[in-house]
Amino acid sequence: DGGITQSPKYLFRKEGQNVTLSCEQNLNHDAMYWYRQDPGQGLRLIYYSQIVNDFQKGDIAEGYSVSREKKESFPLTVTSAQKNPTAFYLCASSPIFGQPGQGAHEQFFGPGTRLTVL
Amino acid sequence: SQQGEEDPQALSIQEGENATMNCSYKTSINNLQWYRQNSGRGLVHLILIRSNEREKHSGRLRVTLDTSKKSSSLLITASRAADTASYFCATVPRSNTGKLIFGQGTTLQVKP
Repeated sequence: DGGITQSPKYLFRKEGQNVTLSCEQNLNHDAMYWYRQDPGQGLRLIYYSQIVNDFQKGDIAEGYSVSREKKESFPLTVTSAQKNPTAFYLCASSPIFGQPGQGAHEQFFGPGTRLTVL
Repeated sequence: SQQGEEDPQALSIQEGENATMNCSYKTSINNLQWYRQNSGRGLVHLILIRSNEREKHSGRLRVTLDTSKKSSSLLITASRAADTASYFCATVPRSNTGKLIFGQGTTLQVKP
């Protein structure tokens, strides 16, 4: 988990509320990612950012929003439009997004935030 | 979009035995990566194998890649109770060099 912090570790939200998950890295990495993990499942990409002030939708972006105003920070907001937000959320970073012919580099993961909607 | 499919979904072995997990994928890749996740924690990168490589080793880990069969395997030799975790393969499709697509994982239990 070193180098990437996520807070809080556990988060409870009432239906209809927006909530923001924090992700900070001190690895000087350009690329950052948000994933969602449901029980017994693999990771699904929500949003990613190749560089500061840039971000793109992943496979399941509906009901989520992000910003990338600083290189080290990539907060994720889970909005009330997300119909089934209860899940484990993982943030990751990598030195660069990827290089033609080589592909993606390894990603470094934070410890995760477990979000429960009450 | 789940590209990697892992087999078996769950594996239970005794300490000292070898554990083999398999990953199959659908499209051409740049590289394939294996990650480990302890229960309720983040993922930890184990090994990366490029599409032009057939085998890589790292300590007790051995990864093979067969691009003609679109499959990879992870072998953990002389397993220990501390190896108990979920293991995921992640592929990097040629069509998008920066994104990882994760399989659903294999849950490994090593009994002491």
